[in-house]
Amino acid sequence: LAKTTQPISMDSYEGQEVNITCSHNNIATNDYITWYQQFPSQGPRFIIQGYKTKVTNEVASLFIPADRKSSTLSLPRVSLSDTAVYYCLVGAALFGGYQKVTFGIGTKLQVIP
Amino acid sequence: GAVVSQHPSWVICKSGTSVKIECRSLDFQATTMFWYRQFPKQSLMLMATSNEGSKATYEQGVEKDKFLINHASLTLSTLTVTSAHPEDSSFYICSASQTSRQRSSGRVYEQYFGPGTRLTVT
Repeated sequence: LAKTTQPISMDSYEGQEVNITCSHNNIATNDYITWYQQFPSQGPRFIIQGYKTKVTNEVASLFIPADRKSSTLSLPRVSLSDTAVYYCLVGAALFGGYQKVTFGIGTKLQVIP
Repeated sequence: GAVVSQHPSWVICKSGTSVKIECRSLDFQATTMFWYRQFPKQSLMLMATSNEGSKATYEQGVEKDKFLINHASLTLSTLTVTSAHPEDSSFYICSASQTSRQRSSGRVYEQYFGPGTRLTVT
């Protein structure tokens, strides 16, 4: 399982764009990159997933360089409700889609009014 | 989207008793479910992989006789904490993945997480 490294914490003002970078130097060819959001006392919630280049959905963008050794989660115009812990996970689908993942420490994002 | 539920959402029990936590995939079948434990201000730690119809696979350091896992159907996995002690107090979270033929989101895979169960052992 690829090990990931993220900043422990970040602060941002409301309305700003936030970029959280994750390093995964030993990512394997079959690995995908997935980001989750977790609020206190809740289970993680899927944000976005990608393999290479750029992926965008209604809540975030994910930028992955060609070497795939890192990825950046971009949250546009954050609000107070985006205050949470964000986890970067790297892993491959196994046995038809059932992935065993290891959570890193995550990045605690604090949005300031 | 797919929904995973857990029951109970919180439980308080006395030291020495056993507690069962249920994890259900509500609108999809999950051959494999995962159980995590999370202590305050820490990350999720994978405890075991629960496979329908077979024995669970435990991570190193997790006592299989203390944390009994049963995955009797494609929509239900249970975690029983036996002879609970205060150090077992934690937030327990399960997750489930959809089978290949049910994926409709276009994603390669996705784990859907339950809301968690807060266990307090007194």
